[in-house]
Amino acid sequence: DVKVTQSSRYLVKRTGEKVFLECVQDMDHENMFWYRQDPGLGLRLIYFSYDVKMKEKGDIPEGYSVSREKKERFSLILESASTNQTSMYLCASSLSVGGHGYTFGSGTRLTVV
Amino acid sequence: KNEVEQSPQNLTAQEGEFITINCSYSVGISALHWLQQHPGGGIVSLFMLSSGKKKHGRLIATINIQEKHSSLHITASHPRDSAVYICAVNNNDMRFGAGTRLTVKP
Repeated sequence: DVKVTQSSRYLVKRTGEKVFLECVQDMDHENMFWYRQDPGLGLRLIYFSYDVKMKEKGDIPEGYSVSREKKERFSLILESASTNQTSMYLCASSLSVGGHGYTFGSGTRLTVV
Repeated sequence: KNEVEQSPQNLTAQEGEFITINCSYSVGISALHWLQQHPGGGIVSLFMLSSGKKKHGRLIATINIQEKHSSLHITASHPRDSAVYICAVNNNDMRFGAGTRLTVKP
């Protein structure tokens, strides 16, 4: 069964901490995505990557950075966590930008206190 | 205005009822997706459509490209169908609706 695995289901961090959210896929997908999901706003794209070491800003990249050193792993970094970054974070991967094989991870609920 | 609009936002039904969730979009698309998200967060892809109709068990998805509209139907609804249903469209990237929270009561 194909999988996108996010390292943590729940995280609580303090304001100002550096936070790493990890995502690993085992489908050899080229494309990987990080979203955040907030009530009433749906999923919003933070960053995506279409190849190793490549990254593109999404709709709301401010306060975030990403790293893709290996094809299977896409990391989201909060350089200095703030309370307005409390949210559900979802990673996804796909075979093509057109959405074939789009697969989501189970999500990480991050609380910044 | 959002590029992807879903209705209703919330829906409560009795077990056995026929359910319809609607999705309208304002951009050209290559495909439309229906996703299901259960409490706890994980999202599962139900359908990917570019035309016509698809059926999987009690779930039916239709799309009208000319009208830029899709519907997700659930026949003989069951409490285990309770989830958030999300419409998403592909136009070089994925754009998501805000979701429809469905609660099916026994």
